[in-house]
Amino acid sequence: DTEVTQTPKHLVMGMTNKKSLKCEQHMGHRAMYWYKQKAKKPPELMFVYSYEKLSINESVPSRFSPECPNSSLLNLHLHALQPEDSALYLCASKLAGTGELFFGEGSRLTVL
Amino acid sequence: QQQVKQSPQSLIVQKGGISIINCAYENTAFDYFPWYQQFPGKGPALLIAIRPDVSEKKEGRFTISFNKSAKQFSLHIMDSQPGDSATYFCAATLYNQGGKLIFGQGTELSVKP
Repeated sequence: DTEVTQTPKHLVMGMTNKKSLKCEQHMGHRAMYWYKQKAKKPPELMFVYSYEKLSINESVPSRFSPECPNSSLLNLHLHALQPEDSALYLCASKLAGTGELFFGEGSRLTVL
Repeated sequence: QQQVKQSPQSLIVQKGGISIINCAYENTAFDYFPWYQQFPGKGPALLIAIRPDVSEKKEGRFTISFNKSAKQFSLHIMDSQPGDSATYFCAATLYNQGGKLIFGQGTELSVKP
């Protein structure tokens, strides 16, 4: 199993809503990532979890709240988002000690 | 020093032709250089990667050429096919560390039948 699974694939939310994006991998990877990607741009790193601990936060606004409940799951909790937060949110995982990053297919978020 | 510069921004190639995308980096500490392929509406997928101890790596129709002294690397797609039409991102990072993958700006490749 070499998949990173993200749900939901599409999400539309208002600026006052609270929603969550979910990511799951069963490859035994102990590093998990959240990226944000705008159209025609490269992915931008948001958060890195290493062994279920937050190791990198790229100065992301607090309206984005990551959570790593266990080594297979990664959540991104969303609250009071702005229309400019509309983007493709990508989860990725990496086997410790390697450089190979595996991406999920992403969750397309639209904030109205 | 953390930048990876990618060119061209877009590329149109005839079917059967060779597609060439170039990247340059600044940080000499980088030791892992992957290329990702991304189709519309999908996440990036690792296509091929190289470590700086080799000058070339080939996998099927895809070849990475690496020039350590010039701090440049490139992707060559031989016998390009319409199914290769996608956005390609080069990247650089430190292989055994949990740090950032530094992406180039991407190249939108269109292969015409």
